[in-house]
Amino acid sequence: GAVVSQHPSRVICKSGTSVKIECRSLDFQATTMFWYRQFPKQSLMLMATSNEGSKATYEQGVEKDKFLINHASLTLSTLTVTSAHPEDSSFYICSARDGGQNTQYFGPGTRLTVL
Amino acid sequence: DAKTTQPPSMDCAEGRAANLPCNHSTISGNEYVYWYRQIHSQGPQYIIHGLKNNETNEMASLIITEDRKSSTLILPHATLRDTAVYYCIVRVVQGAQKLVFGQGTRLTINP
Repeated sequence: GAVVSQHPSRVICKSGTSVKIECRSLDFQATTMFWYRQFPKQSLMLMATSNEGSKATYEQGVEKDKFLINHASLTLSTLTVTSAHPEDSSFYICSARDGGQNTQYFGPGTRLTVL
Repeated sequence: DAKTTQPPSMDCAEGRAANLPCNHSTISGNEYVYWYRQIHSQGPQYIIHGLKNNETNEMASLIITEDRKSSTLILPHATLRDTAVYYCIVRVVQGAQKLVFGQGTRLTINP
């Protein structure tokens, strides 16, 4: 299947700092990427849909000014958690849609810990 | 997208076939059934998807009932590495195309 990478795999930061997470589709072009968040022992929750060259669409309850999404190319989307706080600590996972196969492929996830 | 119902947990002996059921009684004609799994602390892994015909690939088989109200994912020879949470998701191919995850089935393969 298609490969999606995320960087970094884990990050620890101080409260009030911003953290950027990159999501790349390695062997296909993705016009649409998705960002999810997963808390311990819970399922994945969709945060936003990222479309190349346009503004992201956020799910209800997700603050767009706190979770900045940029989808500047067909293989790269970034999620920036601004002014992170301990409650933002979570497992962040991206996925990319392979239009040719009409299937979404997921990255390995980024574990964010805010102290 | 239609809602799915899965048992919260299942056990299976190593080497045996694991059959994971999913109910999607409100599925529409243009909705596909997708299966993903998530091994602990990893991103979900795509397994298989189908519309109405049974599907098979190198990982699993997907059996969809004739009325499309339920389906079964079959792992023919389960190994310990198949221990994971398995998600059944119903989704239209067009439109928003986002995947909405339920709680899934926690499958434990026992030696």
